[in-house]
Order: sequence, then C-alpha cells, then structure tokens
Amino acid sequence: GNSVTQMEGPVTLSEEAFLTINCTYTATGYPSLFWYVQYPGEGLQLLLKATKADDKGSNKGFEATYRKETTSFHLEKGSVQVSDSAVYFCALRLYSGGGADGLTFGKGTHLIIQP
Amino acid sequence: DGGITQSPKYLFRKEGQNVTLSCEQNLNHDAMYWYRQDPGQGLRLIYYSQIVNDFQKGDIAEGYSVSREKKESFPLTVTSAQKNPTAFYLCATRGGSTNEKLFFGSGTQLSVL
Repeated sequence: GNSVTQMEGPVTLSEEAFLTINCTYTATGYPSLFWYVQYPGEGLQLLLKATKADDKGSNKGFEATYRKETTSFHLEKGSVQVSDSAVYFCALRLYSGGGADGLTFGKGTHLIIQP
Repeated sequence: DGGITQSPKYLFRKEGQNVTLSCEQNLNHDAMYWYRQDPGQGLRLIYYSQIVNDFQKGDIAEGYSVSREKKESFPLTVTSAQKNPTAFYLCATRGGSTNEKLFFGSGTQLSVL
C-alpha cells in the first residue's frame, strides 16, 4: 500500500537556523507530493507541492524537491523564524480514477523555533 | 468571505450520546472529506463525498455517519458506537478531479465527559 514516513518530532531549532524535515514515501505508482502546515488550533494549509520527478515546490522560503530515485520529498528552509513554529505534514496523492483519491498523510512533525 | 466553517470549535460528549459536527462550505467544491487527527497519528480518513447525495466510507468509518443532502454541507455524526471519540476532527474540500489541493476547516475538538 501507499505510505508516508516523516522524521519524528518535536524538532527544536533556534531562529535563523537551517531546517530540514525528512519525508520518504512508498507508492504503487507516480504520486503527487505535498507539504501541509498546521498552526495551533487550526486546520491544515497547503504549503507547497510537486507533481512529477525533479519538480521543486517552493513557498514562503520553504522548498522541497521530488526525488524519485530516493522516493523522498524533504522540506528545507534556509533561515527559520519563530512564526514557522507549527506541525508539518508530508502527503501524497495517487489518483486512480475513483475512491478517496488516495490522499495519504504522514504523522506530522512538530517544529518549535526558539528566539 | 469564502471558506469552510466548522462548528462548534469545542464539543463535549456524554457516554451513550450521539453528537453532530457541522461543516459548511461556500467554495462551490464538489468533494468533501472528514478526517480524524490524534496526537502523533497524523490524519485518518473517516468519510468522503464526491458529489451531492453520495458518500463513501474511508479508513475508519465505524462509529460514524454522514449525510450530503446539499453541496454546501457535510455533517458528521459521532455515534455511541464510537468508543474512543476524543480527537480533533477536520473537514476538507477539493474543487475537482484535476485540482489536487485540499482546503481545510479550522477543526472541532471533541472530548468525552
């Protein structure tokens, strides 16, 4: 079956540090890949996405590159801010023409940025 | 103001009681979803609906029921058969088969008294 594995948190960094949150996936085809972010007490928001191999998604200083050879979609940011503190979810979608669209989420990584 | 409205934000259930969580959208999206979020567990799909008057079970549908009588509304009922209902419940919508982005509501926290 399809699955997404993320590094476990919490991840605690100082402001302006470099961020990497690892995400790997297994899928029975060629999925689209996503990063969603959840701020405290809120729903999820799409942060970025990539739909095919070697695509790079980017938004708000965050980047992730779809690596088919390593089945990975690691999230990176060069200089984090306190306002980046949130839970980050890696997800994949494998549309098969029916069902729930095959959207699968990882367990989430809680990121804490200290001033 | 377009978006997804979930209510209430906090809900308490007594043992043996059914409770209903509301999800309303004015995005004119066809597909709607209910997810359950537990700490450290990520999101798990309860039910989804791709069109009015039709809905399908997700991965953890037991103890839950839904209806989709209007495009704008997809209420979720947590029945007394759900023995561990305490969780954060998220409603989401999607605009079409080629639109991959999910839009989420702000969630309802359900707790058992």
